[in-house]
Amino acid sequence: DGGITQSPKYLFRKEGQNVTLSCEQNLNHDAMYWYRQDPGQGLRLIYYSQIVNDFQKGDIAEGYSVSREKKESFPLTVTSAQKNPTAFYLCASKAGEGYGYTFGSGTRLTVV
Amino acid sequence: EDQVTQSPEALRLQEGESSSLNCSYTVSGLRGLFWYRQDPGKGPEFLFTLYSAGEEKEKERLKATLTKKESFLHITAPKPEDSATYLCAVQAIGTYKYIFGTGTRLKVLA
Repeated sequence: DGGITQSPKYLFRKEGQNVTLSCEQNLNHDAMYWYRQDPGQGLRLIYYSQIVNDFQKGDIAEGYSVSREKKESFPLTVTSAQKNPTAFYLCASKAGEGYGYTFGSGTRLTVV
Repeated sequence: EDQVTQSPEALRLQEGESSSLNCSYTVSGLRGLFWYRQDPGKGPEFLFTLYSAGEEKEKERLKATLTKKESFLHITAPKPEDSATYLCAVQAIGTYKYIFGTGTRLKVLA
């Protein structure tokens, strides 16, 4: 079945560490997105990529970085510069303009 | 400024008790309005896209409607398995991003 796979499901980070969240899709979608979800807030866009080797900052890109070397993969790195990284991270893709997102199952990141 | 407001924040229904969730939006020009269902600890699941006022979409016990200012998600004779958070999002014409509301947490009691 086609879909988006995020890993790991749970991730713990120590202060000062960088961590990378994986996102892989087999839907053949060009566009991929990273969102952050916090309690009581709507999903907020971190980064997005419309095509391979190209990506743009979203509303809350500070402290995050991404790469898009393959169509199927869009990993997100949470750097030590992100001051409040504890959140639920969602990767998504969509078939084109006007279509709804297909989301992964999410990664819950906790700073310990 | 583009904005999405969902109400109520939380809703408890008895099984079979029909109700509606509201999504009010302000956007310069609507490209599309989207409804999602999200279960705890999981990613949102796409339900509907609505593109223009007057449009309606149905899926099982759910029916989504759209006006120029708001959308309603009507739930007819809900069952406990309909318990979830329902998210609304809009995309404005000429923009790349979707604006999400904070969701309505629905609990259906048996």
